[in-house]
Amino acid sequence: GAVVSQHPSWVICKSGTSVKIECRSLDFQATTMFWYRQFPKQSLMLMATSNEGSKATYEQGVEKDKFLINHASLTLSTLTVTSAHPEDSSFYICSAPTSGRDEQFFGPGTRLTVL
Amino acid sequence: QQQVKQSPQSLIVQKGGISIINCAYENTAFDYFPWYQQFPGKGPALLIAIRPDVSEKKEGRFTISFNKSAKQFSLHIMDSQPGDSATYFCAATTGGGNKLTFGTGTQLKVEL
Repeated sequence: GAVVSQHPSWVICKSGTSVKIECRSLDFQATTMFWYRQFPKQSLMLMATSNEGSKATYEQGVEKDKFLINHASLTLSTLTVTSAHPEDSSFYICSAPTSGRDEQFFGPGTRLTVL
Repeated sequence: QQQVKQSPQSLIVQKGGISIINCAYENTAFDYFPWYQQFPGKGPALLIAIRPDVSEKKEGRFTISFNKSAKQFSLHIMDSQPGDSATYFCAATTGGGNKLTFGTGTQLKVEL
């Protein structure tokens, strides 16, 4: 299957700081990427759809000013958690569909802990 | 209408047994149904997927059964192994790289 990477794999930050998470498609181009968050023992919750060259589409209830998404190229999308607070601590995962096909592949996830 | 209901929430199976996880959906526009396997601290990995034009798909020990009229699909893991212990998610989408709607997940434990 196609490979999606995320960086960093884990991050600890202080409350009030911003954290950037990168999602890269390594062996294919992705005009669309998806960002999820997952709490322990829960399912994946879609936060937003990242679109290359245009604004992201956010799911209802997700603060777009807090979770900034930039899809600057066909292989890179970034999620910036601004002014992070302890309640933002979660597992953040991105996915990307392969072009013209149904399969979606997920990154390994980023564990964010806000102190 | 966007929900995908998944059961059971947790499942314990003896080694060599069959694990069965069920999902149901409402949105008839869904036309691609993948299953994902997730280990703790890792991202979900695509396991197997099916389209509604077939009733069954088998890949190794994993089989998806699909009932279009009932709007249900299930994952069968034959000869379950301890290494299969993970959380399994069913999902559905309208295809073409559109967003996935996930089930709530099933935590599978395969005991020796």
